[in-house]
Amino acid sequence: GAGVSQTPSNKVTEKGKYVELRCDPISGHTALYWYRQSLGQGPEFLIYFQGTGAADDSGLPNDRFFAVRPEGSVSTLKIQRTERGDSAVYLCASSFIQGAYNEQFFGPGTRLTVL
Amino acid sequence: LAKTTQPISMDSYEGQEVNITCSHNNIATNDYITWYQQFPSQGPRFIIQGYKTKVTNEVASLFIPADRKSSTLSLPRVSLSDTAVYYCLVGDSDNSGYALNFGKGTSLLVTP
Repeated sequence: GAGVSQTPSNKVTEKGKYVELRCDPISGHTALYWYRQSLGQGPEFLIYFQGTGAADDSGLPNDRFFAVRPEGSVSTLKIQRTERGDSAVYLCASSFIQGAYNEQFFGPGTRLTVL
Repeated sequence: LAKTTQPISMDSYEGQEVNITCSHNNIATNDYITWYQQFPSQGPRFIIQGYKTKVTNEVASLFIPADRKSSTLSLPRVSLSDTAVYYCLVGDSDNSGYALNFGKGTSLLVTP
């Protein structure tokens, strides 16, 4: 079946602009996660959804970052007033049930470049 | 979350067995040990998970000694396509919840 998909695959924007990154999880997966990966580092947790609600947004770096999952499926990560330091690969993952030690399935990521 | 320590990089030739050891001295009773693999320009992919002793699947084996303070991921007869970053993660769904703590991983380079 289809895996996790993310769009766009690449996004180039200018400092100060607003961007939206989309994640389509595997059908039927109730849990959805966003991570951010900088060059040479492992992925860093941002936010976790169980269904429609954000169960934990403690990894969001500041209030310029926001994510939604209005119908419990597709999620959008929104970044306001982008800064050069926001440049990274943004990864989305989904899993069937809650818990890190249930396997998370990752998408290919969106590479965000802020000029 | 239990902290993990693994080598930054390893090199191997095709056809060899590769063993990547991860230290997790502060592992808790309820913690599982999980390994993910990440190829360039792709998201991480689950490889194997274990709690104690030995686990084997079609991709790898995971060896966990009785004290569980370390674990070894074993890749039999590696090929060029096994070049990737390998992450060791320790935790459980109750305490660490859902936020996978990747660290920097071990970058494995397989050459002919």
